[in-house]
Amino acid sequence: EAQVTQNPRYLITVTGKKLTVTCSQNMNHEYMSWYRQDPGLGLRQIYYSMNVEVTDKGDVPEGYKVSRKEKRNFPLILESPSPNQTSLYFCASSRVIGQGASEAFFGQGTRLTVV
Amino acid sequence: GDSVTQMEGPVTLSEEACLTINCTYTATGYPSLFWYVQYPGEGLQLLLKATKADDKGSNKGFEATYRKETTSFHLEKGSVQVSDSAVYFCALNAGGTSYGKLTFGQGTILTVHP
Repeated sequence: EAQVTQNPRYLITVTGKKLTVTCSQNMNHEYMSWYRQDPGLGLRQIYYSMNVEVTDKGDVPEGYKVSRKEKRNFPLILESPSPNQTSLYFCASSRVIGQGASEAFFGQGTRLTVV
Repeated sequence: GDSVTQMEGPVTLSEEACLTINCTYTATGYPSLFWYVQYPGEGLQLLLKATKADDKGSNKGFEATYRKETTSFHLEKGSVQVSDSAVYFCALNAGGTSYGKLTFGQGTILTVHP
């Protein structure tokens, strides 16, 4: 089954304690990205990757890191989490649907609470 | 920059009522347009899409038409069911150098009562 898998689904942590949220896709997509979802703001892109070892900032990258060592995996790293990073996070991978446009497939989400 | 504006919710309807959720966008070039749905406790699922002007996307009784002249992509359903209760997101992909990136509206919560 084609899917994007995130782990963990729920996480409660304390301020400053480094954490990693994993993301894996089995569709051989080149493009992957991370979004955060906050009430009234929709989803905003944090970081994206166009291929292995190619990553770049999205709209809200502060406080986050990513890596893309393998095509299927795209972990999100919070080196020193703060309460304002409490949010619902989604990983997505995208396939081309023509004329340079793409269609995204999303993971189930990770609800992070930083206390 | 690119942006998407959705009608503010929440929207509460009775079963079998008609639904319209308005969505307008601002983008350079010719974006592709999408509606995603998020059921409680789940991730986002693609509901329908349109990749060029005048295209109509449809799925599960929902429809939306890409109107370039009004920069709109309104979601419609003629008769909603309780199972349609979810959060609906309008989104665009500008393509080109923005390949892969989705710009989302703020989401509209729909609640359907029996």
